[in-house]
Amino acid sequence: EAGVAQSPRYKIIEKRQSVAFWCNPISGHATLYWYQQILGQGPKLLIQFQNNGVVDDSQLPKDRFSAERLKGVDSTLKIQPAKLEDSAVYLCASSLDRSPLGYQETQYFGPGTRLLVL
Amino acid sequence: DQQVKQNSPSLSVQEGRISILNCDYTNSMFDYFLWYKKYPAEGPTFLISISSIKDKNEDGRFTVFLNKSAKHLSLHIVPSQPGDSAVYFCAASESRNRDDKIIFGKGTRLHILP
Repeated sequence: EAGVAQSPRYKIIEKRQSVAFWCNPISGHATLYWYQQILGQGPKLLIQFQNNGVVDDSQLPKDRFSAERLKGVDSTLKIQPAKLEDSAVYLCASSLDRSPLGYQETQYFGPGTRLLVL
Repeated sequence: DQQVKQNSPSLSVQEGRISILNCDYTNSMFDYFLWYKKYPAEGPTFLISISSIKDKNEDGRFTVFLNKSAKHLSLHIVPSQPGDSAVYFCAASESRNRDDKIIFGKGTRLHILP
């Protein structure tokens, strides 16, 4: 079974430029997550999709970050314009829908995109 | 406000001995806890979990203990192996919430010494 795919793996941009990240989740996974992991911190959820609908985007800086999952499969995360503090690893994860018992399904992470903003 | 705290940034353990990684949480609504393991340049991978109805869950060399009254959990690895050297993230969620949001700690870097 193929894992979560992300591209690019690395990106270096200057502040005020735009950047986009792409994620292809595991086939059949209804839920897709974007996390931001700043150096020395744990992953922080930015946005969660259930199929093509947004479940939670409370921690997404909406003035500069946007994300979409138009067909309920692939997703893109965009930063426009980028700031120095956006330097981080951006992780995409996916999971099956909630289990019948109500417990959270395991999230499977991609390798991440390492962004450096100069 | 850190709801999930891993107070040890790093830990070194001799190969073959027991590794104990600790985690504290503040939100009493958390009822599902997970440990993820992360190698450099890779995404975190799920290791083991425990629900609040249990106080122990074991999977091979990995055991997670939960002390709800102390809001504390720990991950035991025994015996420790060189491949266990990685960053370990403790995470928690409120399973009753539809959004299933996971809150991660900052991680503990484990070094297994030969």
